[in-house]
Amino acid sequence: NAGVTQTPKFQVLKTGQSMTLQCAQDMNHNSMYWYRQDPGMGLRLIYYSASEGTTDKGEVPNGYNVSRLNKREFSLRLESAAPSQTSVYFCASSHGTDNEQFFGPGTRLTVL
Amino acid sequence: DQQVKQNSPSLSVQEGRISILNCDYTNSMFDYFLWYKKYPAEGPTFLISISSIKDKNEDGRFTVFLNKSAKHLSLHIVPSQPGDSAVYFCAARGYAGKLIFGQGTTLQVKP
Repeated sequence: NAGVTQTPKFQVLKTGQSMTLQCAQDMNHNSMYWYRQDPGMGLRLIYYSASEGTTDKGEVPNGYNVSRLNKREFSLRLESAAPSQTSVYFCASSHGTDNEQFFGPGTRLTVL
Repeated sequence: DQQVKQNSPSLSVQEGRISILNCDYTNSMFDYFLWYKKYPAEGPTFLISISSIKDKNEDGRFTVFLNKSAKHLSLHIVPSQPGDSAVYFCAARGYAGKLIFGQGTTLQVKP
């Protein structure tokens, strides 16, 4: 089992460009999450999907959109990237919202 | 406003000694707490958790203590090993399973 996979691992964008971060899990989990990690801030929840077909905002949703494509995949889209979105992005999944979350290896994004 | 705080950015201990990592929270409605460990260039991995109905939970070398009246939890690692060197995040579980993380503490265990 690969667990939670994320692509790409690294990305550099110019201000205003768009991109989609991909996340997939092979653990048959129902819930999926997107976090960002910034120095001195810990991890902050951007969006989550408690189950297939549902998505909800987290703590810092502005500037992002998500799509729960199917049970396995949960993508995060930046429509018009800004330097403030420079961060490391982690996807996570769990069996249910009350269960342990498993994290992917992260995507390091730099917006110039 | 940071609801979960780890006030020590870093901690250095000698191999074989005890490591104590601390975490404070502000919301008395939190009912479940977790510790995650993170190595560089990897995602966080779950380490240990505790429910608010308990005050202690042990798993091998790792013990988490919860003091609800003080809104404080701590992670004890005994004995500490060089492989324990990592960033440790505490987290509280809120509504719909959303995790609220602290800022992290970097632990260095010296051989």
